Amino acid sequence: DTAVSQTPKYLVTQMGNDKSIKCEQNLGHDTMYWYKQDSKKFLKIMFSYNNKELIINETVPNRFSPKSPDKAHLNLHINSLELGDSAVYFCASSQPWADTEAFFGQGTRLTVV
Amino acid sequence: AQSVTQLGSHVSVSEGALVLLRCNYSSSVPPYLFWYVQYPNQGLQLLLKYTSAATLVKGINGFEAEFKKSETSFHLTKPSAHMSDAAEYFCAVTGGNAGNMLTFGGGTRLMVKP
Repeated sequence: DTAVSQTPKYLVTQMGNDKSIKCEQNLGHDTMYWYKQDSKKFLKIMFSYNNKELIINETVPNRFSPKSPDKAHLNLHINSLELGDSAVYFCASSQPWADTEAFFGQGTRLTVV
Repeated sequence: AQSVTQLGSHVSVSEGALVLLRCNYSSSVPPYLFWYVQYPNQGLQLLLKYTSAATLVKGINGFEAEFKKSETSFHLTKPSAHMSDAAEYFCAVTGGNAGNMLTFGGGTRLMVKP
């Protein structure tokens, strides 16, 4: 059983489109995250979602919006895609304590053309 | 704010040689420190973590790391490199204002030569 799964694995789309990436975890964790990995492999937190409390990294454009229908799911919706949004997006989950391990999905490679 | 610096974006070793990947952190509170590994086209997998217990932490695949508060370091080592160790390695920190969100270093690509 995959602990953290995200779909799709690859996404190619045109500028200006709106797209969503889905994430599900079966670990019973209370907290889920979205991280962005750029072309230089640098990883940065985008969002943290815990018990309906959303913590947003202030550098994330408001075109990005996380949506959590329940504790096991955290989807990422992106409006008006730009070339600079091309990256690998990772979903992760953990318990809400700073000393616990985060489990990562396989990533979604988004290419905006 | 917390930060992590990984010295050396690329490290190359011969198979069987010592692996040393460097990580220095900056934190205003006692940190929790992690090493994650990323294989090509994969997600991140935890190698080991420091959570204020023993300063020498042993992880999976023969890796270990030592927390040195005086040097603000958490370097990753492995006595003998294997070809399968070739991957991207990330040091990360949590705690303080960041709570449970990971702040990553820039990553180090480990290459293992036969």
